[in-house]
Amino acid sequence: QVQLVESGGGVVQPGGSLRLSCAASGFTFSSYGMHWVRQAPGKGLEWVAFIRYDGSNKYYADSVKGRFTISRDNSKNTLYLQMNSLRAEDTAVYYCAKDIVATSPNAFDIWGQGTMVTVSS
Amino acid sequence: EIVMTQSPATLSVSPGERATLSCRASQSVSSNLAWYQQKPGQAPRLLIYGASTRATGIPARFSGSGSGTEFTLTISSLQSEDFAVYYCQQYNNLGLTFGGGTKVEIK
Repeated sequence: QVQLVESGGGVVQPGGSLRLSCAASGFTFSSYGMHWVRQAPGKGLEWVAFIRYDGSNKYYADSVKGRFTISRDNSKNTLYLQMNSLRAEDTAVYYCAKDIVATSPNAFDIWGQGTMVTVSS
Repeated sequence: EIVMTQSPATLSVSPGERATLSCRASQSVSSNLAWYQQKPGQAPRLLIYGASTRATGIPARFSGSGSGTEFTLTISSLQSEDFAVYYCQQYNNLGLTFGGGTKVEIK
């Protein structure tokens, strides 16, 4: 079935780095744009980043620009989020999500179960 | 950045009744608006995109309307599984943004 499975979350000190992965199955991964969305504990949803189906365009929220990098490996059906210079305010559940189209950010029709990132000393 | 404002923050409704949720954008987002449902401990689920198109597998009791800056999600007859938090999201402008959510609770 159509599925997204995130991994790589954990506890990291402020200023540290973490790399999240999202393994896709059940659909043609290379045909769709992909996103990362996060949710701080007890809070609402915040879009983080988008990557086009072919990786040629990437967009970021201002809150993570210059610190986070989204990438994908279509041969491995996997999406990544490299997070550097982490701050306490980056603490959240991170979801990967599939876009309904290939080339530009739209709505997200498939979501993973999320992976928790905690930034704390 | 486009600010999305949802109202009310909490809606108390009895099963079988109609629920009407509102979402307002700080500037026009055309029809580039989606609605999501999120239950505790779960990922969000897409209900509506393009302001009024139901996503695959979404029951007909869910409907969306509006364009520009004013949008509505209507649940025609609330079922027990519909009690959840609902978010609107605009994708008209980069810096995609979500509303703060409306919690639909049992009255």
